[in-house]
Amino acid sequence: GQNIDQPTEMTATEGAIVQINCTYQTSGFNGLFWYQQHAGEAPTFLSYNVLDGLEEKGRFSSFLSRSKGYSYLLLKELQMKDSASYLCASMDSNYQLIWGAGTKLIIKP
Amino acid sequence: GAVVSQHPSWVICKSGTSVKIECRSLDFQATTMFWYRQFPKQSLMLMATSNEGSKATYEQGVEKDKFLINHASLTLSTLTVTSAHPEDSSFYICSARDGEGVAGNTIYFGEGSWLTVV
Repeated sequence: GQNIDQPTEMTATEGAIVQINCTYQTSGFNGLFWYQQHAGEAPTFLSYNVLDGLEEKGRFSSFLSRSKGYSYLLLKELQMKDSASYLCASMDSNYQLIWGAGTKLIIKP
Repeated sequence: GAVVSQHPSWVICKSGTSVKIECRSLDFQATTMFWYRQFPKQSLMLMATSNEGSKATYEQGVEKDKFLINHASLTLSTLTVTSAHPEDSSFYICSARDGEGVAGNTIYFGEGSWLTVV
């Protein structure tokens, strides 16, 4: 079956670094997405990985290992505004996104 | 990144009436659009996949006669909630696939539409 696993909640300190892990199993694979969602708002696109390796984009980086069915989102220099849910999604062979339940990230001063 | 615009952001309607939500890709052609609903503190739930020029594919448990989806052009898809009831009150979000973008197959979301049925 298709499954996406990510932690339910994480807590980190302002200015620190946090890594949110995601493991996936989907029918076919057309890429791994990370989205940020603040409460009451629609998701915002953060990153898309289709090849193995690390993609860096400012304070956010995303990593993919297709052989392990594993990805992580790395957030550096955390700011209070980074408090949000982070959604991992794998795109299957039909170009549909299979969603994880999301990781609620709490940033403390 | 690419922009997807969704309208209206907020809508209140009376029970029994219909309401239409529009989803537009502003700077790319979206052959595929997706419609989601999300209840507070819950995950996104895919309702249907819409391909330009063809009938939408609905997820199991989603009533196609109640949630009418039209994808008449490469930049516009609409969701019409017919004969709305209070239990239809939810956050509806569209997304569109940019198959030609730099990243290829990237999916962008609209801002979402809060529907309240009274």
